[in-house]
Amino acid sequence: SYVLTQPPSVSVAPGKTARITCGGNNIGSKSVHWYQQKPGQAPVLVIYYDSDRPSGIPERFSGSNSGNTATLTISRVEAGDEADYYCQVWDSSSDLVVFGGGTKLTVL
Amino acid sequence: QVQLQESGPGLVKPSETLSLTCTVSGGSISSYYWSWIRQPPGKGLEWIGYIYYSGSTNYNPSLKSRVTISVDTSKNQFSLKLSSVTAADTAVYYCARHDRVITFGGYYYYMDVWGKGTTVTVSS
Repeated sequence: SYVLTQPPSVSVAPGKTARITCGGNNIGSKSVHWYQQKPGQAPVLVIYYDSDRPSGIPERFSGSNSGNTATLTISRVEAGDEADYYCQVWDSSSDLVVFGGGTKLTVL
Repeated sequence: QVQLQESGPGLVKPSETLSLTCTVSGGSISSYYWSWIRQPPGKGLEWIGYIYYSGSTNYNPSLKSRVTISVDTSKNQFSLKLSSVTAADTAVYYCARHDRVITFGGYYYYMDVWGKGTTVTVSS
């Protein structure tokens, strides 16, 4: 089955740029979606179809996907961005939904 | 806007069957895929399975032998049954809707609406 690999943690200072990666075999050929989850809350979609933002998500959130790595980029990081972030694909070869293991973003 | 609400027992005994329902309000269950996802304490998200409004399903291979997802379009609800539960099934259970992007390359599904989640504990 398809596997998505994320770093367990990423740390960044306020105002700087955070990059969270999601690795998978030829992931560039798939569509990657990203979710933000704050403690005690349900996940919230922040990026879909590699780089599209749902309404209400700040422009500071962006995404890219190429080769074997997809990346969620958060510019001008704020304290409120501290959360767990998960990447996800719908593996069309098996029609299964796959999540990455999640990355905890810490704002220093 | 569309809202999802999970409901069901918060405590299930080992070896019994966990049963949860997700009620869709503010929109129709038709023309969408609907998923169940769970999150054990302190761990990541695990997809359990999905159902299309017409009734077709697909399940996580690791849970497939124990999972049944069904839909009741007349009630705008879909349900999860997980049999032979153990303590390892203790988790927050979420339901979610799949919206899609349609391109020349195909359909790409993502989860745009989530329920708040319900905690299920497996214990005697």
